[in-house]
Amino acid sequence: EAGVAQSPRYKIIEKRQSVAFWCNPISGHATLYWYQQILGQGPKLLIQFQNNGVVDDSQLPKDRFSAERLKGVDSTLKIQPAKLEDSAVYLCASSLKSFGGVDEQFFGPGTRLTVL
Amino acid sequence: GESVGLHLPTLSVQEGDNSIINCAYSNSASDYFIWYKQESGKGPQFIIDIRSNMDKRQGQRVTVLLNKTVKHLSLQIAATQPGDSAVYFCAENIPWTGFQKLVFGTGTRLLVSP
Repeated sequence: EAGVAQSPRYKIIEKRQSVAFWCNPISGHATLYWYQQILGQGPKLLIQFQNNGVVDDSQLPKDRFSAERLKGVDSTLKIQPAKLEDSAVYLCASSLKSFGGVDEQFFGPGTRLTVL
Repeated sequence: GESVGLHLPTLSVQEGDNSIINCAYSNSASDYFIWYKQESGKGPQFIIDIRSNMDKRQGQRVTVLLNKTVKHLSLQIAATQPGDSAVYFCAENIPWTGFQKLVFGTGTRLLVSP
């Protein structure tokens, strides 16, 4: 079974530039998550999709971050404009279900963003 | 490879020893707990989970203990191997309108010497 795919693996940009990350979840997984992992910390949930609808975006800095999951499969996360404190690894995860109980989340390798 | 954390608490053990990694969680309403392993340059990998109605669960070489009274979780790894070297995170699921919501701890780096 193919895992969660993410691209690019690495990205270096200057502050105030924009950047986008792509995620392809495991086939058939209804729920997709984006996490931010700052160096030395655990992952922090940014946004959660159930199919193509947003379930939770309470921790997404909506003035600069946006995400979409068109057609309920692939997802993109965008930052515009980037700040120095956005330097982190951005992890995508997917699970078969979300509602009605807990379910194992499978993580992708992440995209390491460096903002200069 | 990349490091997932430069200033994490670190546990150093010898190959063959048993390792115990501890975690304090924050929400007394959390109903599900998971331990993840994260190697450099990779995403977190599921190790073992436990529901709040249990106090112990065993897997292959790993045991998770849950003490709800003091909101404490531990991961025991038997006969630790060099391949166990990684950062370990605990995560708690906070019940939230029926959807899953994981909150991760800060992590512990495990270093296993041959």
